[in-house]
Amino acid sequence: GEDVEQSLFLSVREGDSSVINCTYTDSSSTYLYWYKQEPGAGLQLLTYIFSNMDMKQDQRLTVLLNKKDKHLSLRIADTQTGDSAIYFCAEIPPGNEKLTFGTGTRLTIIP
Amino acid sequence: NAGVTQTPKFQVLKTGQSMTLQCAQDMNHNSMYWYRQDPGMGLRLIYYSASEGTTDKGEVPNGYNVSRLNKREFSLRLESAAPSQTSVYFCASTPGIVGQYFGPGTRLTVT
Repeated sequence: GEDVEQSLFLSVREGDSSVINCTYTDSSSTYLYWYKQEPGAGLQLLTYIFSNMDMKQDQRLTVLLNKKDKHLSLRIADTQTGDSAIYFCAEIPPGNEKLTFGTGTRLTIIP
Repeated sequence: NAGVTQTPKFQVLKTGQSMTLQCAQDMNHNSMYWYRQDPGMGLRLIYYSASEGTTDKGEVPNGYNVSRLNKREFSLRLESAAPSQTSVYFCASTPGIVGQYFGPGTRLTVT
């Protein structure tokens, strides 16, 4: 497809792991990103991964990249109420310095 | 170090009025961007500036103009506002491939 695709909603119980999925458009994209947007705020860069990596871990965050399937995921371990937000994946397609964003996944934490 | 700042935070316009959204960054970044965010559509690029003195159209430039006043400042102008321009507008800047830094946004309503 032409769009970066994400599910719109995800609900997770506090303390469980959250997995947010993204399918991006171009298997040649070199850099892929995850952003977090809290209510009423701008986007905050969470992490990024280069296409020559399969996985990147940063504290509670784990990013997995499957280039063959053009699939990117963000796992948040031990999900907390402060993790409630909209999460956007984004790519930079080859030959392009502009980011292409997904529609965002709204993560809701169930107490 | 304030990062990316935007003014105003909120604005209500009548159809046909004009206004300029201001953006400034103090991180010495070359590239700056203007996006609009609408429900269910993620972020769409309006204009970007790869360096001082240059600007280029993004995905949805119609109805907007921009000025890269200097390295710090990148303004977005609506010459004749329309209800379809009701949105949240974000400015961003980047030093390169490591991701973009976003301002807090301007919430614009056109009646």
